[in-house]
Amino acid sequence: ETGVTQSPTHLIKTRGQQVTLRCSSQSGHNTVSWYQQALGQGPQFIFQYYREEENGRGNFPPRFSGLQFPNYSSELNVNALELDDSALYLCANSPGTGGEETQYFGPGTRLLVL
Amino acid sequence: RKEVEQDPGPFNVPEGATVAFNCTYSNSASQSFFWYRQDCRKEPKLLMSVYSSGNEDGRFTAQLNRASQYISLLIRDSKLSDSATYLCVVGHNDMRFGAGTRLTVKP
Repeated sequence: ETGVTQSPTHLIKTRGQQVTLRCSSQSGHNTVSWYQQALGQGPQFIFQYYREEENGRGNFPPRFSGLQFPNYSSELNVNALELDDSALYLCANSPGTGGEETQYFGPGTRLLVL
Repeated sequence: RKEVEQDPGPFNVPEGATVAFNCTYSNSASQSFFWYRQDCRKEPKLLMSVYSSGNEDGRFTAQLNRASQYISLLIRDSKLSDSATYLCVVGHNDMRFGAGTRLTVKP
């Protein structure tokens, strides 16, 4: 498998709450990207981190924020949860500096907002 | 217009059939192209990269036409295990995914 892990696997929150999702990094892969995948849709790019700095962002509001740590693991934080935030959240590692290389995905975290 | 558009599907084909998926992208500066496969309730996994010269991996053939901003995937001799959603992916600084095309191969 990819060696990328995510936690938790499933999560249920209520509207207005905050959530933190976590992603480990495959050794040597220093770029991490986060995606949101709603049911029946393709993954939508949220943002990307390279060496602990945000290195690109998709069309998501500021209440979606992230961190990357020195060991290249990463967090996705979502504040003020809305019902439409219910989705599968995927993180992906890639070995290079850019975001155009093969992405190795973790199994995802399924978030349900009630 | 969406950045990456795919055939809406679904495609339901018998075993042994040949099936083709199409994809168009809007950003002419895109530099990398991929097909990913996603099984139900699983993460996407790389199927193959797509090169301008076209490339083949066993029963799978991918083509890229930069002038038309068009990518294709051909699957020959379909197997039951090919049943999945196929995602077209285009890269330019980051990766943009199509909505996916669902394929069901039936006995």
